[in-house]
Amino acid sequence: DTGVSQDPRHKITKRGQNVTFRCDPISEHNRLYWYRQTLGQGPEFLTYFQNEAQLEKSRLLSDRFSAERPKGSFSTLEIQRTEQGDSAMYLCASSLATSGSTDTQYFGPGTRLTVL
Amino acid sequence: GQNIDQPTEMTATEGAIVQINCTYQTSGFNGLFWYQQHAGEAPTFLSYNVLDGLEEKGRFSSFLSRSKGYSYLLLKELQMKDSASYLCAVTTSGGYQKVTFGIGTKLQVIP
Repeated sequence: DTGVSQDPRHKITKRGQNVTFRCDPISEHNRLYWYRQTLGQGPEFLTYFQNEAQLEKSRLLSDRFSAERPKGSFSTLEIQRTEQGDSAMYLCASSLATSGSTDTQYFGPGTRLTVL
Repeated sequence: GQNIDQPTEMTATEGAIVQINCTYQTSGFNGLFWYQQHAGEAPTFLSYNVLDGLEEKGRFSSFLSRSKGYSYLLLKELQMKDSASYLCAVTTSGGYQKVTFGIGTKLQVIP
C-alpha cells in the first residue's frame, strides 16, 4: 500500500474559478477526512466521511465547498467561485475504525491551492 | 470547544534532548496525538496516548497526564532532520474520533 495520495499537488487558479481536488485513501480505510492548513497553523477540520456517508461538516465549510465520496473509496473536494482567502494546503487523511484499536489518521501529501 | 496550547517555536542543539509541552482544555477528552510535520509536507504520526504515563518509542517519548490536561513530547539525541513542526492533537469521543490540532511547535535543531 502506497499510503494516502492526493491530486494535484499544486493548483494555481484565478479568483472566481472552480477547483476540484481528489484524495485516494489507504485501501480499506473506512474513514476519510479533509482538513485545511494555512501557514503557521495546525490543520483545521473541514469534513468527515464514514464509507460514503458524509457525517460531519465544519462551519468552516461554506456553501462554496462540497465534498463527495461516492463509492466509499476516493473522495473529491470542490471549491466554487474561489476567493483569495481559500489559498491554503488542503490535506486528506484516512483511518480504519475498528473496535478496540486506535483510530489513527494517516495524511496524504496535500494539495497546495493558490488563488490569484 | 477545545483549547490547545503549545509553544510556537523552540531551538535545540544537535545531540541534545528537547521537551515540547502541550496543554489542553477540552470536553469529552479521549486521547492525544503527536504528529511531526516537515515544511511543505503532510503530518506523520508519532504517538498516541490514552492512559497516563510515559510511552517510549526509540528516540521519541510521549507523556500524558489526563488530570492536569498536559502532555509532552521528548526528543532525545537530536538530529538535524528532526527540525520540523510538532503538532499536538486531542481526540474527543463521540460518533467518531474527532481530532483537533494545536498550531504546532516549530523546532529548529542547530549544530
